[in-house]
Amino acid sequence: GDSVTQMEGPVTLSEEAFLTINCTYTATGYPSLFWYVQYPGEGLQLLLKATKADDKGSNKGFEATYRKETTSFHLEKGSVQVSDSAVYFCALSASDFGNEKLTFGTGTRLTIIP
Amino acid sequence: GAVVSQHPSWVICKSGTSVKIECRSLDFQATTMFWYRQFPKQSLMLMATSNEGSKATYEQGVEKDKFLINHASLTLSTLTVTSAHPEDSSFYICSARDGRLAGLEQFFGPGTRLTVL
Repeated sequence: GDSVTQMEGPVTLSEEAFLTINCTYTATGYPSLFWYVQYPGEGLQLLLKATKADDKGSNKGFEATYRKETTSFHLEKGSVQVSDSAVYFCALSASDFGNEKLTFGTGTRLTIIP
Repeated sequence: GAVVSQHPSWVICKSGTSVKIECRSLDFQATTMFWYRQFPKQSLMLMATSNEGSKATYEQGVEKDKFLINHASLTLSTLTVTSAHPEDSSFYICSARDGRLAGLEQFFGPGTRLTVL
């Protein structure tokens, strides 16, 4: 079945550091890939997505590129801020918008210190 | 927009009792709602999918008689954990979408932490 393997946390970085959170997947067919973010006390929010190979999703300074050859969708940000502290989930879905079954990674807790 | 709430945010109950968790879409009509369960340091696992006015579809391995799901209106779904036991202690998360709108993603509630003593 489908699965998502995500970099284990927690990850602690200083403000303005470069961030990478690794995500690889196993799936049949051609899934869509997502990154969700969960801020303290809130529900998961869609951060970015990519629906086909070589697509790059981007939002709020975060980027991730759909790499079919390496089955990866690593999340990157060039300069993190304290407000980026949250839990990040990588996920895949058979549909373009994640409105069908989502398969999640375990989540990575990110803490940014001033 | 697209806010989903859950109530309660946490609950503690005795073994053998039943607990009801509510999931509400506050500013849109949720034709479909999803219920997830999350164990510590593990990923969200889909338990069931419910369409308004229909019986829920449960994932393999999820006991439908233990986890009763009702989705009687376009803004409310409930998950009832019947005869709860300590192994049912977990974090339960719902999400919702309006399937009548093309391409609308799932929107997630903040979760409910259940502790069974």
